[in-house]
Amino acid sequence: GDSVTQMEGPVTLSEEAFLTINCTYTATGYPSLFWYVQYPGEGLQLLLKATKADDKGSNKGFEATYRKETTSFHLEKGSVQVSDSAVYFCALSGTGNQFYFGTGTSLTVIP
Amino acid sequence: DAGVIQSPRHEVTEMGQEVTLRCKPISGHNSLFWYRQTMMRGLELLIYFNNNVPIDDSGMPEDRFSAKMPNASFSTLKIQPSEPRDSAVYFCASSPRTGSYSNYGYTFGSGTRLTVV
Repeated sequence: GDSVTQMEGPVTLSEEAFLTINCTYTATGYPSLFWYVQYPGEGLQLLLKATKADDKGSNKGFEATYRKETTSFHLEKGSVQVSDSAVYFCALSGTGNQFYFGTGTSLTVIP
Repeated sequence: DAGVIQSPRHEVTEMGQEVTLRCKPISGHNSLFWYRQTMMRGLELLIYFNNNVPIDDSGMPEDRFSAKMPNASFSTLKIQPSEPRDSAVYFCASSPRTGSYSNYGYTFGSGTRLTVV
């Protein structure tokens, strides 16, 4: 069945460091892929999405490219800020009528 | 747009009591989802509705849990009787539509933090 696997956390980075959070997926057909962010005490918010191969989603300095050949959708940011500290979830919309979420990766950015 | 509205934000109750969580989806969204989030189990889908009809409740952990959606603007999740292991954050989310390969994202509410003592 459809599923998403994302890298284990927690991740701790210094401010202005480069961020990569890996996400790979298993799905039939052509799923849509999403990254969600959850700040402390809040619900999940859609960060970016890509709906077909080679699409690049971007928002707030974050980017992710839909790579069908490697079944990946890695999240990247060139220079993280303290305010980026949150939990990041990769998600997939595939054959079923629901999303499949990864387990979440906690990011802490220290000044 | 006020987003998805959940109430209460926090609930503390004693074991054995009935708990009702409430959700108002975004107007015009046809799909509504209830999730539970814990440190141990992460994010779990409990049930979802399409056009007010329950489609999949296979994630509801036990008969103590029930959910209703009497109209397009309101849903409840009820736990009766509640137990300490039900302590978690419960999220409601809505989407314009759902289906295979949907590219519509979900909009989540801020959640209800439930503590059963």
